[in-house]
Amino acid sequence: GIQVEQSPPDLILQEGANSTLRCNFSDSVNNLQWFHQNPWGQLINLFYIPSGTKQNGRLSATTVATERYSLLYISSSQTTDSGVYFCAVDPPNSNSGYALNFGKGTSLLVTP
Amino acid sequence: SAVISQKPSRDICQRGTSLTIQCQVDSQVTMMFWYRQQPGQSLTLIATANQGSEATYESGFVIDKFPISRPNLTFSTLTVSNMSPEDSSIYLCSVEGGAKTQYFGPGTRLLVL
Repeated sequence: GIQVEQSPPDLILQEGANSTLRCNFSDSVNNLQWFHQNPWGQLINLFYIPSGTKQNGRLSATTVATERYSLLYISSSQTTDSGVYFCAVDPPNSNSGYALNFGKGTSLLVTP
Repeated sequence: SAVISQKPSRDICQRGTSLTIQCQVDSQVTMMFWYRQQPGQSLTLIATANQGSEATYESGFVIDKFPISRPNLTFSTLTVSNMSPEDSSIYLCSVEGGAKTQYFGPGTRLLVL
């Protein structure tokens, strides 16, 4: 199946710093999404971004489908940004409709 | 977007017993998905549940262990059968909420002793 690799696995930032999270995938995809899992376990959809660039407040994402990677940018980080960031993809030959294959995540801790 | 609720939110169970997890969505959806998140790990798809048909299970998951019901377009259940400590995980349901974005329920935290 498709491989989804995220880096770095862990990241510690001071409040106000910027960061870039990376997601590499091994095959073409129909669907790529970024999620934030907060410390209470709730998964929040950040972006649906199989290609191109999107921005939402302090967060933005870019996917270069031809090179099989996606980047999530967090600017002016806040303590509430702490949690795990997952990249998830749906390969075109999937039998599961819109079901997603998840990377292992980047665990982010933002300190005051 | 879709609002999803799950019951129970958490449970502690004895090995050998079964637990049924409920997932309720505030709108009609064609497909619902069940995922497992083992401690400190990523999410793994268990099965896809379509209303009116048998669930489709991913490799490594079988119907006898994880039977799923999908009686209507807003509800699904996942049963974890004959539990062992290795089944201790967070179980999450999700739906495709339009524009191919997925929305997740709050999860059910299961501890098997």
